[in-house]
Amino acid sequence: GDSVTQMEGPVTLSEEAFLTINCTYTATGYPSLFWYVQYPGEGLQLLLKATKADDKGSNKGFEATYRKETTSFHLEKGSVQVSDSAVYFCALSEGTSGSRLTFGEGTQLTVNP
Amino acid sequence: NAGVTQTPKFRILKIGQSMTLQCTQDMNHNYMYWYRQDPGMGLKLIYYSVGAGITDKGEVPNGYNVSRSTTEDFPLRLELAAPSQTSVYFCASSHGTGAYEQYFGPGTRLTVT
Repeated sequence: GDSVTQMEGPVTLSEEAFLTINCTYTATGYPSLFWYVQYPGEGLQLLLKATKADDKGSNKGFEATYRKETTSFHLEKGSVQVSDSAVYFCALSEGTSGSRLTFGEGTQLTVNP
Repeated sequence: NAGVTQTPKFRILKIGQSMTLQCTQDMNHNYMYWYRQDPGMGLKLIYYSVGAGITDKGEVPNGYNVSRSTTEDFPLRLELAAPSQTSVYFCASSHGTGAYEQYFGPGTRLTVT
């Protein structure tokens, strides 16, 4: 079945540091890939997505590129802010029945001033 | 436009009690979902619905029931609560399948003791 694996966390960075959160996936077809973010006490919200190989999703300075050859969708940001502190989830959707999202375990990011 | 709303925000149940978690969306989405989030884990799909009157099981449906009598509402029923159902429950909705974004409610934190 489908699965998503994220780098083990948590991750602690200083403000303005470079961020990478690794995500690899296993899927039988050609999934859409997502990064969702969960701020403390809130539900998840979509950060960015990519729907086919070599697509780059971007939003709020975050980027991720759909790499079919390495089955990866790593999240990057060049300069993190304290306000980026949150839990980040990589997810995929095969688009089949119910369009369920398969989530990774989540990565807690803490950015210190 | 409230998006996806959930009630209650918090609840403590005793073993064997029952309760209903409410979920309402005002975006006229056909697809609705219930997930549970356990500490340090990604979200797991409990049940989903592709339209009023149509529901189907997800990955972890045991101990839960759902109904979908209207487009807007998708309540989740817990029968005979068990400690293993202690979790945070999220309701979500989407316009379509595959690459469509899922919109999440703020969650219900449930403790069964």
